[in-house]
Amino acid sequence: GNSVTQMEGPVTLSEEAFLTINCTYTATGYPSLFWYVQYPGEGLQLLLKATKADDKGSNKGFEATYRKETTSFHLEKGSVQVSDSAVYFCALHPGGAQKLVFGQGTRLTINP
Amino acid sequence: DAGITQSPRHKVTETGTPVTLRCHQTENHRYMYWYRQDPGHGLRLIHYSYGVKDTDKGEVSDGYSVSRSKTEDFLLTLESATSSQTSVYFCAISHGDIYTEAFFGQGTRLTVV
Repeated sequence: GNSVTQMEGPVTLSEEAFLTINCTYTATGYPSLFWYVQYPGEGLQLLLKATKADDKGSNKGFEATYRKETTSFHLEKGSVQVSDSAVYFCALHPGGAQKLVFGQGTRLTINP
Repeated sequence: DAGITQSPRHKVTETGTPVTLRCHQTENHRYMYWYRQDPGHGLRLIHYSYGVKDTDKGEVSDGYSVSRSKTEDFLLTLESATSSQTSVYFCAISHGDIYTEAFFGQGTRLTVV
């Protein structure tokens, strides 16, 4: 089946620290991969995506590379800000008529 | 922002009463979804729709029903609300293809007392 596993949170960092949130997946075929972000009191919004192996998605200083050999899509940012505090969800779309599959979410808190 | 509106945004209801949540879109997306979000559980799919009058169950569908009589509206009904259905409910829409993302509404916070 299709599944997504994220590193458990919460994650707490100081401002300007380097961020990695791990995401690995299991899928039949060649899925598209997504990172969503949820700020307090809001719905999820797309942060970045990659639709094929070796693609790198990037947005707002965040990056993630689709690694087929390790079935991973780790989220990274070189220098986090307090405003990056949110919950981050990794997701995959298996293709065909199937549905998005979400990870459990990782709560990130950045302290000044 | 994608044109997706959930109503109501907040609701408190009593155990045993019926409750209907509405999701309205202006994007003409084929797929619509209802999720619930609870601490420690992430997002869990309740029901989804792949077209007018075409719906299917998700992983936590017990106690919920849905209807989609128009492309733009997807209704979630709790026939007889229970305290375990206290949650934040999110509607999402998508084209359904592998390359495009889903767009989420702002959520409805439902409290069953």
